[in-house]
Amino acid sequence: SQQGEEDPQALSIQEGENATMNCSYKTSINNLQWYRQNSGRGLVHLILIRSNEREKHSGRLRVTLDTSKKSSSLLITASRAADTASYFCATDAAGNKLTFGGGTRVLVKP
Amino acid sequence: GAGVSQSPRYKVTKRGQDVALRCDPISGHVSLYWYRQALGQGPEFLTYFNYEAQQDKSGLPNDRFSAERPEGSISTLTIQRTEQRDSAMYRCASSETAQGALYEQYFGPGTRLTVT
Repeated sequence: SQQGEEDPQALSIQEGENATMNCSYKTSINNLQWYRQNSGRGLVHLILIRSNEREKHSGRLRVTLDTSKKSSSLLITASRAADTASYFCATDAAGNKLTFGGGTRVLVKP
Repeated sequence: GAGVSQSPRYKVTKRGQDVALRCDPISGHVSLYWYRQALGQGPEFLTYFNYEAQQDKSGLPNDRFSAERPEGSISTLTIQRTEQRDSAMYRCASSETAQGALYEQYFGPGTRLTVT
């Protein structure tokens, strides 16, 4: 079973708009990570947020973490066509291994 | 520098054959993880190593699956007597430290396995 569940499953936006996706998880974590996967390619690490952090930024990415609600959100600002990809959250709840969610498929239309 | 590499990139095999999938992690990385990813799903943990020691193999589906990392670098995932349900993308990732889930993992391009 998957620890993280992303919402929505799919998202379609226009270039320049913001994209927000959420991740919920079930048990306590030390950290939560977001990865991106472009079509037919490998996964690339985007950002890691630790359980004692509430918000983190990296370029056009903003991640929040609410451990009381066991949820995280990823915001991509001013989206570009190159942001079209699947986005996965991953947690370390089950020991020294990552458990991934099912992903949010984002389509950015030019 | 070189990233994580995997070979072969594509493997088509007949049901009942054995296959060996190779992962070459980033040089010096301590931990190495194997995942399986079905189409449209996130990666699913299979097993991981710190150096040459297999630390957790709880994600291996059954005893037809095994993995080794004999010298603490290259790893091989072997599937014996393949079945059609084994068809998937197999991904490898490495991390700098022994606590690979607490830090960024670097993924390889994957091996697409098709069992006919």
